[in-house]
Amino acid sequence: EVQLVESGGGLVQPGGSLRLSCIASGFTFSSYSMNWVRQAPGKGLEWVSYISGGSSTVYSADSVKGRFTISRDNAKNSLYLEMNSLSVEDTAVYYCARDRLIGNYYVPFDSWGQGTQVTVSS
Amino acid sequence: QSVLTQPPSASGTPGQRVSISCSGGSSNVGTFTVSWYQQLPGTAPQLLIYNDNQRPSGVPDRFSGSKSGTSASLAISGLQSEDEADYYCATWDDSLNGRVVFGGGTKLTVL
Repeated sequence: EVQLVESGGGLVQPGGSLRLSCIASGFTFSSYSMNWVRQAPGKGLEWVSYISGGSSTVYSADSVKGRFTISRDNAKNSLYLEMNSLSVEDTAVYYCARDRLIGNYYVPFDSWGQGTQVTVSS
Repeated sequence: QSVLTQPPSASGTPGQRVSISCSGGSSNVGTFTVSWYQQLPGTAPQLLIYNDNQRPSGVPDRFSGSKSGTSASLAISGLQSEDEADYYCATWDDSLNGRVVFGGGTKLTVL
């Protein structure tokens, strides 16, 4: 069974930093691209960042570019999101989500973690 | 303002068929396949439809997807109370260097 478990969220002051983690199990982690997706309170889903299985390709949304860094450690089946210069607009539940190839079709976000809450407030 | 436009709300009675639209443009829905996600209250989203109209194993055949041009739709037939949830469409966008974009979401209420 595919499991994704996020951790590292919490309350941080504006301008502060936080590091989120996502531990994967139930599949060969290194073979899958991974993402971070966030959801602000009462709002919709927003893709944040993407990393390929071997970490060679990384993308980030313009809203977090230069502040957030996605990375992974395949030996530890772990995905990370380093968040710096946080602002109140970054307050959200952060989900890690796996991409998958189903047959010939590339499917974004086929599995999701339960999310971790990040609150930026003074 | 989302790149993909969904109605903010939809509703139906048990047993009815409801449809949720997802309108985009030539750089996203018109070019790439669309996925749909269901988010039950208080839970993480889950994949409902991929490749415009394919259901992952375990998703009931009451859920179906379609696409025409720059618009996609999710249809739910035989509506059940447990279908009350938020629904999101998503696809890639060429004008955003191939990043994934989501619709704003549609809250489905079962009356």
